[in-house]
Amino acid sequence: DAGITQSPRHKVTETGTPVTLRCHQTENHRYMYWYRQDPGHGLRLIHYSYGVKDTDKGEVSDGYSVSRSKTEDFLLTLESATSSQTSVYFCAIGRTSGVYEQYFGPGTRLTVT
Amino acid sequence: QQQVKQSPQSLIVQKGGISIINCAYENTAFDYFPWYQQFPGKGPALLIAIRPDVSEKKEGRFTISFNKSAKQFSLHIMDSQPGDSATYFCAASYAGGTSYGKLTFGQGTILTVHP
Repeated sequence: DAGITQSPRHKVTETGTPVTLRCHQTENHRYMYWYRQDPGHGLRLIHYSYGVKDTDKGEVSDGYSVSRSKTEDFLLTLESATSSQTSVYFCAIGRTSGVYEQYFGPGTRLTVT
Repeated sequence: QQQVKQSPQSLIVQKGGISIINCAYENTAFDYFPWYQQFPGKGPALLIAIRPDVSEKKEGRFTISFNKSAKQFSLHIMDSQPGDSATYFCAASYAGGTSYGKLTFGQGTILTVHP
């Protein structure tokens, strides 16, 4: 499972509240990613990180921010949650030793009511 | 902008048959093409991946065929089993500077293998 954990695994929150999702890795990889998965859209990249304090936007970054103060942790924050952010969120790490491979965490199911 | 198009959306095959899922991409800078398998309630799991310097890669019952000129790649599952029933995603990315590994996914194919 590439040593990736996500927390919480499930969360229900109300519109307008801030939410932070955490991704933790145990293998010290440089690259980390946040995706969201919605029916009919596959997975779409929200933000990614290529090192501590180095982050950039993905395809669907509006309404989301990220932070990476330590190699092992990558946080995704919804500043003011909206119903359109109801989704399943996946964190991934990029393993660059030898052939590049990207591995996903177990996901967080977020419901915004 | 949908840069990776996947078909079919759903696929039903009989046990022992061949499952074929196709993807087409637009960005010629893509140089990494993985396939993921996802079971309900789980994260996508890397199945097999290919780079454009080869036309085919095989791992067990799973084969990727790659056609660089047509900008297409496909997943073939030989001797399909009920345990292969899952959603399959193709994806593509390129190793460009800090964009390394940013995957663009197809929309997914729900595969059902009947016993």
